Amino acid sequence: NAGVTQTPKFRVLKTGQSMTLLCAQDMNHEYMYWYRQDPGMGLRLIHYSVGEGTTAKGEVPDGYNVSRLKKQNFLLGLESAAPSQTSVYFCASSYTTLIGDTQYFGPGTRLTVL
Amino acid sequence: AQSVSQHNHHVILSEAASLELGCNYSYGGTVNLFWYVQYPGQHLQLLLKYFSGDPLVKGIKGFEAEFIKSKFSFNLRKPSVQWSDTAEYFCAVRGNSGYALNFGKGTSLLVTP
Repeated sequence: NAGVTQTPKFRVLKTGQSMTLLCAQDMNHEYMYWYRQDPGMGLRLIHYSVGEGTTAKGEVPDGYNVSRLKKQNFLLGLESAAPSQTSVYFCASSYTTLIGDTQYFGPGTRLTVL
Repeated sequence: AQSVSQHNHHVILSEAASLELGCNYSYGGTVNLFWYVQYPGQHLQLLLKYFSGDPLVKGIKGFEAEFIKSKFSFNLRKPSVQWSDTAEYFCAVRGNSGYALNFGKGTSLLVTP
């Protein structure tokens, strides 16, 4: 199993450009998440999905859109990138048991917006 | 508002010293509790977790954590740190009414030889 994979690993954008980050998991997990990590801020949830075709907003959703067309994939889109979106983006997936769930993280995408 | 607080932002220890990192949360109901570690340049890895049962949980690499419900705390401990423990440590909490994890801001640990 590859677990959670993310592409690309690095990207540099100019202000106003658009891009899509891809997250894929091969663990048949129902839930998937996108976080951003900024220095001194920990990880903050952008959007999440509790199943194929469903998405919901997290703590910092503005400027991002997501889609979950297939169970194994969760896409994060930036329509018009801004320097404030310079960050490291982590995808995670999880399954839920009766007592709780555990999130497994991908390797991250380092995005710089100039 | 629900929050997770990690008391120490930066910790420097010598090898073989004991480690305790504090974590407090503000959720009122049942919670799932986690400690993740992020080694330099790498992604988050799960150290240990608490769902229910014995409040003293053991994780990988000799780490353990104790859930004290009355104090809303989940502190991470290791009796003797190694240089390879240099990393950033994140406490995270999931309330049973939500799906996502809420993370603390992290503690950067530097272990010197």
